[in-house]
Amino acid sequence: DTAVSQTPKYLVTQMGNDKSIKCEQNLGHDTMYWYKQDSKKFLKIMFSYNNKELIINETVPNRFSPKSPDKAHLNLHINSLELGDSAVYFCASSQDLGGPQETQYFGPGTRLLVL
Amino acid sequence: AQSVTQLGSHVSVSEGALVLLRCNYSSSVPPYLFWYVQYPNQGLQLLLKYTTGATLVKGINGFEAEFKKSETSFHLTKPSAHMSDAAEYFCAVRGSGTYKYIFGTGTRLKVLA
Repeated sequence: DTAVSQTPKYLVTQMGNDKSIKCEQNLGHDTMYWYKQDSKKFLKIMFSYNNKELIINETVPNRFSPKSPDKAHLNLHINSLELGDSAVYFCASSQDLGGPQETQYFGPGTRLLVL
Repeated sequence: AQSVTQLGSHVSVSEGALVLLRCNYSSSVPPYLFWYVQYPNQGLQLLLKYTTGATLVKGINGFEAEFKKSETSFHLTKPSAHMSDAAEYFCAVRGSGTYKYIFGTGTRLKVLA
């Protein structure tokens, strides 16, 4: 069974379009994250939700809007896509928020290419 | 505030040779430290982590890392490299009591036959 899954795996779209990426975890974790990995492999956190509540919101354009319908899902909607949004987007989840046992588990990534 | 520096964006070793990937951190609170591995076109997988206790941490695939507070380092080692170790390796830090992870810029390990 896949612990953290993302759909789609690949996404190619035109500038100006709106797209969504979905993430689901079956680990029973309370916290989920979205990361962006650029072409130089730099990995930066974008958002984090704990029990459907937003707890981390980095300096991300407001074209990006996360939505957590329940603890097991964290979706990312992107409006008016730009060339600079091309990257790999990773979803992750964890338990024991902030504690020593907390470990993040990552999804396989969604490769977004904006043309 | 926390930060992570990984020295060497690319490291090449011969098969069977020692692997040493360097990570230095800064943290205003006691840190939790992590090493992740990313194989091509895949997500990140946890190799090992340090939270408290023993400073020498053993992980999967024969890797280990030692937390050295005096040097603010958490270098990753493996005695004998295998071809399957070729991947991107990320060091990460999280302050105790916080939930924000800071990742280093990664080190690509190449294993030569």
